[in-house]
Amino acid sequence: AQSVTQPDIHITVSEGASLELRCNYSYGATPYLFWYVQSPGQGLQLLLKYFSGDTLVQGIKGFEAEFKRSQSSFNLRKPSVHWSDAAEYFCAVRGGSNDYKLSFGAGTTVTVRA
Amino acid sequence: ETGVTQTPRHLVMGMTNKKSLKCEQHLGHNAMYWYKQSAKKPLELMFVYNFKEQTENNSVPSRFSPECPNSSHLFLHLHTLQPEDSALYLCASSQRRAEETQYFGPGTRLLVL
Repeated sequence: AQSVTQPDIHITVSEGASLELRCNYSYGATPYLFWYVQSPGQGLQLLLKYFSGDTLVQGIKGFEAEFKRSQSSFNLRKPSVHWSDAAEYFCAVRGGSNDYKLSFGAGTTVTVRA
Repeated sequence: ETGVTQTPRHLVMGMTNKKSLKCEQHLGHNAMYWYKQSAKKPLELMFVYNFKEQTENNSVPSRFSPECPNSSHLFLHLHTLQPEDSALYLCASSQRRAEETQYFGPGTRLLVL
């Protein structure tokens, strides 16, 4: 079964600074990878996803993520953070095209300071 | 309305109460899911329905009872809950069970007293 680790529970970043959130997965083959964001009191919104092809994936709100097979990682990045990016971010993995189960990491809370 | 909606958004209930959570998706999807989100824990998949048929029960206690009358609606019936059942309950949908992307509703924040 696949699993996901988000090593950072909480990250504080200054507005305008860059942001990188780490995600490591455990799965035998190439998984389907996702990043979701959850604003306070809200559900999860899909930021981006990777299935195959180009390992650098562009998402909404200026986010991108890079799949690195050798490191079993799928880190999320944003060059310049806005105050509205303060939220909780979840990395998730599916085992493949016939596997419907999403396994989520525990999440990383991002605080943006002025 | 578009997307996935959930009602109520907040619910407080006693341990002897019976209540139901409702989820409706307006995306034309055929698979629907219930997740539980507890503080500082990863999301836990509870139930999966594909074309109105339950295909997954992830060892959920019987005090949680799902119902899927059609592909657009999903309910979670609650009875004799425990305080540790307090959590955010999220509904999601996808085109079909094996579809890559699940779309989530805003959740119902449940407090059991």
